[in-house]
Amino acid sequence: NAGVTQTPKFQVLKTGQSMTLQCAQDMNHEYMSWYRQDPGMGLRLIHYSVGAGITDQGEVPNGYNVSRSTTEDFPLRLLSAAPSQTSVYFCASTIRTGGSSPLHFGNGTRLTVT
Amino acid sequence: AQSVTQLGSHVSVSEGALVLLRCNYSSSVPPYLFWYVQYPNQGLQLLLKYTTGATLVKGINGFEAEFKKSETSFHLTKPSAHMSDAAEYFCAVNNAGNMLTFGGGTRLMVKP
Repeated sequence: NAGVTQTPKFQVLKTGQSMTLQCAQDMNHEYMSWYRQDPGMGLRLIHYSVGAGITDQGEVPNGYNVSRSTTEDFPLRLLSAAPSQTSVYFCASTIRTGGSSPLHFGNGTRLTVT
Repeated sequence: AQSVTQLGSHVSVSEGALVLLRCNYSSSVPPYLFWYVQYPNQGLQLLLKYTTGATLVKGINGFEAEFKKSETSFHLTKPSAHMSDAAEYFCAVNNAGNMLTFGGGTRLMVKP
């Protein structure tokens, strides 16, 4: 049972480059989300999805795009990377929306933008 | 709007001592509350959660937390710290919507 799988684990980009962070879950979870973790700031929500074909913005969506074509996958796209996007990114999912179900987290992607 | 404040970004205790990690929240409605733990180079794992019912919640690894509505607090405690408890701990709140808000985290250090 893989849970939430994120790839890659590490990535270095130059300013202006684009890339996609992959996230897949095998638990048939309805809700998926992306967070970024920065020292002293906890985790901040970037985008989330309550089902295939439905996405919405979180607290810090600028510079990031998402799509959800299947229940399992929720990729995060950086169209033109900036040094401010240097962070650790976590994908998380839960079985249902509404807030009472805990999140299951992937192991993160550490991104450095130079 | 909802927010979470964790008092103390770093807490140091001796092995065997009481662990107390503080969390206060703001919420316009009765919230769902969570504590997560993060070990180095890993994702977050659920320690415990409060949704409804009993206000004293027991979690994994001997941790517990008490929901105090009058104080808008959800402090995490453990009677006796172990070296393996060294990690970063996050309090989080959800107002029954789709956005979970995290506090800034508290790094717990356990001295032998």
